[in-house]
Amino acid sequence: GENVEQHPSTLSVQEGDSAVIKCTYSDSASNYFPWYKQELGKRPQLIIDIRSNVGEKKDQRIAVTLNKTAKHFSLHITETQPEDSAVYFCAASKEIAGNKLTFGGGTRVLVKP
Amino acid sequence: SAVISQKPSRDICQRGTSLTIQCQVDSQVTMMFWYRQQPGQSLTLIATANQGSEATYESGFVIDKFPISRPNLTFSTLTVSNMSPEDSSIYLCSVEVTSGNEQFFGPGTRLTVL
Repeated sequence: GENVEQHPSTLSVQEGDSAVIKCTYSDSASNYFPWYKQELGKRPQLIIDIRSNVGEKKDQRIAVTLNKTAKHFSLHITETQPEDSAVYFCAASKEIAGNKLTFGGGTRVLVKP
Repeated sequence: SAVISQKPSRDICQRGTSLTIQCQVDSQVTMMFWYRQQPGQSLTLIATANQGSEATYESGFVIDKFPISRPNLTFSTLTVSNMSPEDSSIYLCSVEVTSGNEQFFGPGTRLTVL
């Protein structure tokens, strides 16, 4: 089955700096890669996703890149703000209706003011 | 997306008892899933709740321990049976609204077993 590795497990950045989280996956058939943000005591929220037919996607201060050959994808947060402090999870699945998501281990991001 | 609710939001239970968690969506969805999130950990899929048929369980999870129902396209239940302290966790349902893989999560049920 699919295996998703996520690094780093914790990340501390100064407000205004950039943060990068990297994930690798094992199943070359995976073609859908979402990212979730989970604030303390809250549900995971989908913040951005990318499908295998594109290499990069951007939404305001967040962007995701995908390298299918190397089987890795990354989340980039620019101009970090204290409200970006949360746990971020990457996931992978095949783009089939009802196909399960396999999650990475999570990255705890702390943005220091 | 969809509005997803879960009941109860939290509970404290005695070992050996069972708890049923409800997940309600405000619109019909194609797929519903149940996850477990142990303290400080990632999300682990327990099973896919299939409408009108038996749930599909992931490795390490069995129907006798986690029976699931999905009587229609907007509702599902997960029962945690014969609980032990190791079952203390957050249980989340998620839904796939359309056939596009985007999954949205319910608020979760925080279970503590004493």
